Amino acid sequence: QKEVEQNSGPLSVPEGAIASLNCTYSDRGSQSFFWYRQYSGKSPELIMFIYSNGDKEDGRFTAQLNKASQYVSLLIRDSQPSDSATYLCAVTKGSGTYKYIFGTGTRLKVLA
Amino acid sequence: DADVTQTPRNRITKTGKRIMLECSQTKGHDRMYWYRQDPGLGLRLIYYSFDVKDINKGEISDGYSVSRQAQAKFSLSLESAIPNQTALYFCATSETGTGNNEQFFGPGTRLTVL
Repeated sequence: QKEVEQNSGPLSVPEGAIASLNCTYSDRGSQSFFWYRQYSGKSPELIMFIYSNGDKEDGRFTAQLNKASQYVSLLIRDSQPSDSATYLCAVTKGSGTYKYIFGTGTRLKVLA
Repeated sequence: DADVTQTPRNRITKTGKRIMLECSQTKGHDRMYWYRQDPGLGLRLIYYSFDVKDINKGEISDGYSVSRQAQAKFSLSLESAIPNQTALYFCATSETGTGNNEQFFGPGTRLTVL
């Protein structure tokens, strides 16, 4: 089992729809969870982080964390073609450490 | 100006050559990281450093070495490059004590080993 798992996609959604990206992780000691966006050939950039169970909203983005189910998701409302990218889930390894484990990413395509 | 810079941005080399990739940052962060990215495998940690005197192996350190010359500089070396080291390499930084431990990535170095 991979430590951090994501569906590779592509996930295709029409413009204006909600895109839902999912991530599961294996280490119950993980404390911090991150979503990075990466455009083709570019470096990852952080769009959301979450520590506590529940939802965290920032503009069109909502991160959801369920530690009991070891599941973190990212919702993108009113999806735009500019949101088309690969979304990387990252999880800190163990408790109290600062090493990330990245998932392989989900490629999102927003269709105009 | 970019906060995290990497040189070179692209490099083609031959099997057996020694290669050094350099990373510099102006963010004042104490923590620095080297990752490689391969299609289908995601980002994998090669080495990380929490300060100048602290160097740690990541999950795939074999065939690589690093040097933390200063707080702002962290270099990755391939002593004898091999074709399966062809990948996109990223340097990242973060700061101790921040609540979210966000990592900031450089623009990447695309390395091809023939």
